[in-house]
Amino acid sequence: QSALTQPASVSGSPGQSITISCTGTSSDVGGYNFVSWYQQHPGKAPKLMIYDVSNRPSRVSNRFSGSKSANTASLTISGLQAEDDADYYCSSYTSGGSWVFGGGTKLTVL
Amino acid sequence: EVQLVESGGGLVQPGRSLRLSCAASGFIFDDYAMHWVRQAPGKGLEWVSGVSWNSVDVGYADSVKGRFTVSRDNAKNSLYLQMSSLRADDTALYYCAKGSNAGLAAAYSDSWGQGTLVTVSS
Repeated sequence: QSALTQPASVSGSPGQSITISCTGTSSDVGGYNFVSWYQQHPGKAPKLMIYDVSNRPSRVSNRFSGSKSANTASLTISGLQAEDDADYYCSSYTSGGSWVFGGGTKLTVL
Repeated sequence: EVQLVESGGGLVQPGRSLRLSCAASGFIFDDYAMHWVRQAPGKGLEWVSGVSWNSVDVGYADSVKGRFTVSRDNAKNSLYLQMSSLRADDTALYYCAKGSNAGLAAAYSDSWGQGTLVTVSS
């Protein structure tokens, strides 16, 4: 149950696009289309942004999109806004019947 | 509106036990698997345990296997986590999270509680 690998931090200016990667193995990210992404603001509970690799809950802005290639999933945020400044976590189902999260990425909107 | 309210956290000495509870409302509780996810201070998220809608399937992170026991009472719309042999590295905010379907074979939660803080220290 090793954590998925995410960059510790990314940054971008308002209006720009950024991509956060999430690398796992064939036993998690690469083996299932069960990758999800969460946004977490300080002192708040995580909020689901993307599920099943690329599906977006209705209440989430279409500026958020997800994809996957082999053992790496990606979250792309287009048209960056100040409120996007937060921590982002990926998660995957695993062959062991458990969940595994990434270490988290701090997004700074400059 | 889905509501998940955790309780039972607090300060506990190493080696002791503690039981967390999660009261659920706003959805049909026994239609969904439920999970516990924790977050140590200043750290990332860690899945702890999950239980299917009928308690037949349960899962644990390696870090808690053999020490923690997850259970649910569908009649009371409640989820529990019995924690024993607690260690300092179990110190964290423990979140209750609603699964996406009845079983454990999925990997997301669309609803989370606000968490209950467990501090393990002498």
